[in-house]
Amino acid sequence: ELKVEQNPLFLSMQEGKNYTIYCNYSTTSDRLYWYRQDPGKSLESLFVLLSNGAVKQEGRLMASLDTKARLSTLHITAAVHDLSATYFCAVQGMDSSYKLIFGSGTRLLVRP
Amino acid sequence: NAGVMQNPRHLVRRRGQEARLRCSPVKGHSHVYWYRQLPEEGLKFMVYLQKENIIDESGMPKERFSAEFPKEGPSILRIQQVVRGDSAAYFCASSAGGNQPQHFGDGTRLSIL
Repeated sequence: ELKVEQNPLFLSMQEGKNYTIYCNYSTTSDRLYWYRQDPGKSLESLFVLLSNGAVKQEGRLMASLDTKARLSTLHITAAVHDLSATYFCAVQGMDSSYKLIFGSGTRLLVRP
Repeated sequence: NAGVMQNPRHLVRRRGQEARLRCSPVKGHSHVYWYRQLPEEGLKFMVYLQKENIIDESGMPKERFSAEFPKEGPSILRIQQVVRGDSAAYFCASSAGGNQPQHFGDGTRLSIL
């Protein structure tokens, strides 16, 4: 059974600092997603990572995928308050490829 | 192009009542998924439907919960005899194919009194 673990679950950081959120998954997958969710809102798609070594960047966020280690990272550079939200990674398994398995989420709070 | 439309956005029910949640997929999408999000948790897969067919309902409780996606009209997630533990946000997603990116709606927040 595919399991997805994120850490940390909660992250409080100062503006201007860098940090990384980690997403580990337990079995082979060919697709990994990162989403952002603001309180009471839906999921905003940030990145789709399809292959080993994939790296994507958008503004202060950069996501990478290592399929051999079954690990994805979401790196935050020079954080700003607007990045405060909950970030989820989600993995599509190889056998039930329609099913998204989500991590528990990382609540990010960026302090002024 | 309208995205995935869910209604209502908020639904309050008393214990024992029925809740009906509606989802209209992106135009042209025939694959619909329902997920449930409990407070402070990630989304959990409930059911995957194509037009008039349930493909996978392995994440849906066996009792009181049912889902349909008729030939015409929105997909419906129905919860009978609701209990406090049903309080959650229910998200619908749609896609053009089973392994295509899923587009999420804004969710229905269900509160049980």
